[in-house]
Amino acid sequence: DQQVKQNSPSLSVQEGRISILNCDYTNSMFDYFLWYKKYPAEGPTFLISISSIKDKNEDGRFTVFLNKSAKHLSLHIVPSQPGDSAVYFCAAHGSSNTGKLIFGQGTTLQVKP
Amino acid sequence: KAGVTQTPRYLIKTRGQQVTLSCSPISGHRSVSWYQQTPGQGLQFLFEYFSETQRNKGNFPGRFSGRQFSNSRSEMNVSTLELGDSALYLCASSLQGAQGGYTFGSGTRLTVV
Repeated sequence: DQQVKQNSPSLSVQEGRISILNCDYTNSMFDYFLWYKKYPAEGPTFLISISSIKDKNEDGRFTVFLNKSAKHLSLHIVPSQPGDSAVYFCAAHGSSNTGKLIFGQGTTLQVKP
Repeated sequence: KAGVTQTPRYLIKTRGQQVTLSCSPISGHRSVSWYQQTPGQGLQFLFEYFSETQRNKGNFPGRFSGRQFSNSRSEMNVSTLELGDSALYLCASSLQGAQGGYTFGSGTRLTVV
C-alpha cells in the first residue's frame, strides 16, 4: 500500500524556469510533510517542510503547497538551476509516528542549462 | 557541528552471513531511524530508536534488528543475509523525532553476493 505517491518518475525543465514536483498521499493521519533532495550514493538532504495546519511554506527559491482536501502537495523551485538536478522525495509522518517517515518513490529532476 | 556518521560506507558480504552497521547521530539528537533504499522499493522505514528504546518498527522480517546505546549511537544488524538485502542503508537522527528535524547520513552500501 503506497501511502505517499510521486506519479512522475522524471521531470526536465530549462534553467531559469519553474520546476513543479507533485506528491499525493492517502493517509489522512499524516500531519507533517517534508521534501528531500538526493544524489546517488548519498543520504537525502532536507529542503523544506510543511505542517498540515498550513497551506504554504516558502524558503528562498523553494515553496511547498499543501492541499489537504485533495491530499496533494507540490514543491515549486523558482528559478530552477542546473545544480538542482537530483532526485526529489516527498515524505510524510503522523504525530503519533514521529521518527517514521513514509517516502514517495522519488522524481528525478533534470535542469538543462 | 558534525553530521550523522555511518560506518562503514561500503560492505560486501556473502549470503548467509550477518552484518552490523553503525550510525552516530548529531550530538544531542536522541532519535535515530533506519531506512533501506533499493531501486524497486524506494526508501523504506526499518525502525526508530529513542532513548535506547525501539519506538517504531517497519514491515521487515525479524532478521533485521537494531539497538541504541546510552550515547544515542545506534547499530542495526541483519542476520542470514539474502541477495535481496543488497541496498543502501540510511540512518537519520533528530532531537525527538521532531517535525522536520531529520538529518540523514551518507549511508552504508551493502552488497550481498
